[in-house]
Amino acid sequence: ETGVTQTPRHLVMGMTNKKSLKCEQHLGHNAMYWYKQSAKKPLELMFVYNFKEQTENNSVPSRFSPECPNSSHLFLHLHTLQPEDSALYLCASSRPVSGANVLTFGAGSRLTVL
Amino acid sequence: GIQVEQSPPDLILQEGANSTLRCNFSDSVNNLQWFHQNPWGQLINLFYIPSGTKQNGRLSATTVATERYSLLYISSSQTTDSGVYFCAGGAGSYQLTFGKGTKLSVIP
Repeated sequence: ETGVTQTPRHLVMGMTNKKSLKCEQHLGHNAMYWYKQSAKKPLELMFVYNFKEQTENNSVPSRFSPECPNSSHLFLHLHTLQPEDSALYLCASSRPVSGANVLTFGAGSRLTVL
Repeated sequence: GIQVEQSPPDLILQEGANSTLRCNFSDSVNNLQWFHQNPWGQLINLFYIPSGTKQNGRLSATTVATERYSLLYISSSQTTDSGVYFCAGGAGSYQLTFGKGTKLSVIP
């Protein structure tokens, strides 16, 4: 248990479904992140929120919609996804160390799009 | 952007053996972290090490910032060390670029 909890751990959805991934951190960190991990590709940063404000959006398609209601919770709303969106979605939070952001990850939500 | 190269891509060790994993960066970074991903997908932060040397039990890491590389040492490897080791680097902001990882298999 890292202090970052993701639900659900596994999700199967059709291309016309709408679903959401949830992330909660109990570490008192200010920043929260969504990363995507596809097979045989490096982790890709999707979104970053700092104190509930979005600070990074790495050209992510609009079918992925993040929401950060407070510093402890982060959601990723999914709609009309494609099969190539199947991946492990990782949430992280970070604490500042000497000006750098040190990450703590959740266990991930494995998404399969049929 | 920063390019991160990890070597070797795959490594098989007998239990008890030692190993060294390497991470090279194309540009200077002031945020360098090592992670271990277990077979179930959980990523654990091993070290934040922008420079110098740190040790945590059987693991240690050294970063030579002026030469843009970092090394992760695993001593007396155990089967629970199996998984993928990632390094990631960044230079300010929230962007961290991850390498493709080194897949380690420790066999009994």
